[in-house]
Amino acid sequence: AQSVTQLDSHVSVSEGTPVLLRCNYSSSYSPSLFWYVQHPNKGLQLLLKYTSAATLVKGINGFEAEFKKSETSFHLTKPSAHMSDAAEYFCVVSDYNQGGKLIFGQGTELSVKP
Amino acid sequence: DAGITQSPRHKVTETGTPVTLRCHQTENHRYMYWYRQDPGHGLRLIHYSYGVKDTDKGEVSDGYSVSRSKTEDFLLTLESATSSQTSVYFCAISDLGPVAGGLYEQFFGPGTRLTVL
Repeated sequence: AQSVTQLDSHVSVSEGTPVLLRCNYSSSYSPSLFWYVQHPNKGLQLLLKYTSAATLVKGINGFEAEFKKSETSFHLTKPSAHMSDAAEYFCVVSDYNQGGKLIFGQGTELSVKP
Repeated sequence: DAGITQSPRHKVTETGTPVTLRCHQTENHRYMYWYRQDPGHGLRLIHYSYGVKDTDKGEVSDGYSVSRSKTEDFLLTLESATSSQTSVYFCAISDLGPVAGGLYEQFFGPGTRLTVL
């Protein structure tokens, strides 16, 4: 069965410093992986998606993630945090065998201090 | 943004009453999904649809039913609401399904906040 584990429930950084949100996945076949962001009282927005064409995936707002099969990881990074990055982030894997349903990690809340 | 609307956006109801939430899309996507979001659980799939009148259960389907009579509308019904169904409900759509090598990117609606007293 597919699953994802987000290793931190909360991450706090200062504005202008790097962001690292960690995600490990479990999959019996080549996974489809995503990062979604949810700002307070908003819906979910896709940040980036892994296509298997490139292990380093670039997304919106300066975020990127690197797929590492040997480590079963898909960590999200950003070189310099901005106040507007404060939100909850979800690592997600798609289940090929169940209509493409998404399996969500529990989420990481990112706080950005001025 | 994908054309997905949910109605109502907020609802307060009493235990034991029936509730229907509506998801409407203008993208003509084949797949539609209902999730619930609760603190500490991320989003969990309730039901999904892979075509008109074709639906299947997700991981938390007990107490919920769905219907899809046309491509653009996917209804979620709580036959007899309970306090444990207080949650935020999200609808999602996707144009891709279980095709080898396909990407299952989903687009989400704005959510419905349901409170069952």
